[in-house]
Amino acid sequence: DAKTTQPPSMDCAEGRAANLPCNHSTISGNEYVYWYRQIHSQGPQYIIHGLKNNETNEMASLIITEDRKSSTLILPHATLRDTAVYYCIVSFSGAGSYQLTFGKGTKLSVIP
Amino acid sequence: DSGVTQTPKHLITATGQRVTLRCSPRSGDLSVYWYQQSLDQGLQFLIQYYNGEERAKGNILERFSAQQFPDLHSELNLSSLELGDSALYFCASSVEASGNSRTGELFFGEGSRLTVL
Repeated sequence: DAKTTQPPSMDCAEGRAANLPCNHSTISGNEYVYWYRQIHSQGPQYIIHGLKNNETNEMASLIITEDRKSSTLILPHATLRDTAVYYCIVSFSGAGSYQLTFGKGTKLSVIP
Repeated sequence: DSGVTQTPKHLITATGQRVTLRCSPRSGDLSVYWYQQSLDQGLQFLIQYYNGEERAKGNILERFSAQQFPDLHSELNLSSLELGDSALYFCASSVEASGNSRTGELFFGEGSRLTVL
């Protein structure tokens, strides 16, 4: 799986958009970009994933650059409950195995 | 609620002992994954089972073993415990379906916190 680079921490004001960057310059053509988050010591929670097109769901938007070497997770209106560690993961979802390699992630602090 | 159930939530034991952690996957999920999260190592993939058979192995110690039963629940056995085994152990399950547009989503349980004294 390709390696990802994320800033260790970020702050965001409550109600503002949180933009979390991720670099994955060695991504290969069949690898997806996944985002998970972990609130305190709870189990990681899936947020969104994409291959090359931008994606949006009820939680967030994922913007992937045209060359696929980087992506940005956007939380449109951050709340205090969005304070968590956010993990950007690049993984090939081959048949039968969806194991994910978690890095250190970005600790997002939403400030009131 | 992810639908993945892990027991026990907390466990305190002594070095040299053996413990078993249990995981019930979401209804219909055939795959179970085990992850270990310690303070200094982050989330480490241990092992995956699919429909009762081992599918992938990660950084799992020889003192650790796992299995998945016919009813699809899984157990992680940790033996000859050491202080460094103190960690959160997460179980995750996934849908294994080709052609599923949401491929690769893992659903994690709330974890079992193991403390070895």
